[in-house]
Amino acid sequence: GQNIDQPTEMTATEGAIVQINCTYQTSGFNGLFWYQQHAGEAPTFLSYNVLDGLEEKGRFSSFLSRSKGYSYLLLKELQMKDSASYLCAVRVYNDYKLSFGAGTTVTVRA
Amino acid sequence: ETGVTQTPRHLVMGMTNKKSLKCEQHLGHNAMYWYKQSAKKPLELMFVYSLEERVENNSVPSRFSPECPNSSHLFLHLHTLQPEDSALYLCASSQDTGGNTEAFFGQGTRLTVV
Repeated sequence: GQNIDQPTEMTATEGAIVQINCTYQTSGFNGLFWYQQHAGEAPTFLSYNVLDGLEEKGRFSSFLSRSKGYSYLLLKELQMKDSASYLCAVRVYNDYKLSFGAGTTVTVRA
Repeated sequence: ETGVTQTPRHLVMGMTNKKSLKCEQHLGHNAMYWYKQSAKKPLELMFVYSLEERVENNSVPSRFSPECPNSSHLFLHLHTLQPEDSALYLCASSQDTGGNTEAFFGQGTRLTVV
């Protein structure tokens, strides 16, 4: 399987920026996904990276470095509604599944 | 609303019961998945169906039995479960099983085995 590591918890203040790191060890890398999951709800897709670099979508950006096995999700201008768990997931060639990290719980404080 | 609907949302069952979880997707996708989510643990893939054919069974105990009667519906039949099987069971679908195809998840069934 793939070893996917991300911090367990992070806390930040409303309006601030938070960066959630994800490292992975895999062969045949074929893409990295970030999902957001609010308590009691379905995970929802945030971003996909397969090439090195930064993908920006509004307040959220995701970065990938394949050579380092590293990605981060950057959340800017934090809002209370951003309090959620953020899941990093990796896909490899010739494998049907997404392999997930344990998730990072982000708490946004007023 | 993700286009993937799971029922029931909550289920409490005894170890000798038989129950089924249902998943329906309205997205026209060809692949469907069952994942198990336990507290503080990564999502664990249980089963994958592609075009109604099971393509992966991830060493799941036989007390979990999937069924995919068509590309829009997926079931997980449960019997003689153990308390450690208590978890959130998530269904997902994707256009296919490769590359950049994102998975769309249902809201899950919170299962408690007593």
